[in-house]
Amino acid sequence: GESVGLHLPTLSVQEGDNSIINCAYSNSASDYFIWYKQESGKGPQFIIDIRSNMDKRQGQRVTVLLNKTVKHLSLQIAATQPGDSAVYFCAENIHPGSGYALNFGKGTSLLVTP
Amino acid sequence: KAGVTQTPRYLIKTRGQQVTLSCSPISGHRSVSWYQQTPGQGLQFLFEYFSETQRNKGNFPGRFSGRQFSNSRSEMNVSTLELGDSALYLCASSPGGEAYEQYFGPGTRLTVT
Repeated sequence: GESVGLHLPTLSVQEGDNSIINCAYSNSASDYFIWYKQESGKGPQFIIDIRSNMDKRQGQRVTVLLNKTVKHLSLQIAATQPGDSAVYFCAENIHPGSGYALNFGKGTSLLVTP
Repeated sequence: KAGVTQTPRYLIKTRGQQVTLSCSPISGHRSVSWYQQTPGQGLQFLFEYFSETQRNKGNFPGRFSGRQFSNSRSEMNVSTLELGDSALYLCASSPGGEAYEQYFGPGTRLTVT
């Protein structure tokens, strides 16, 4: 079965609000997690990543939180903008220590309304 | 730096045929991975190549194969195409080593009729 899953398939937020997208994973050996944004007709775009030895990492308007106890990952987007509307995927590296093999979640569609 | 490029962008094939897709990674990147994206299954890992060697492989049948050249460019091949192979095929490159960031290309949209 799939080891990475998203709690909500669709999230609608108002412009200016903060968005939180959640993700659950089941492989406790995964050492690396990434969030991607995919707009229609484009390939996934790297947003932010976090290694398993960290709990939190911040980027520009985005923060990723990792809770290894409950195997939960979240992406927080501050002051959400219309340009943030896209599908967001979390992914985990399921071959730690031997290269890259990302297992992706199904994705959450984020819709930002004015 | 130029991003990951994939050719062709769109392809239509008939069942039973074979197809070869090409990927040029970001300059200096040594790892190339391939993914299949479909509405039903989402993004699924196919395989990863590093320094011309397949380092990781996903759960796809042997009809799916790939290779990497000395300049890090990669190709993937699908033989005996089935209708279910219709998908967006994405290539991602990474510097390798401790850098895990993968950068994706725009994909090749394959339609099997």
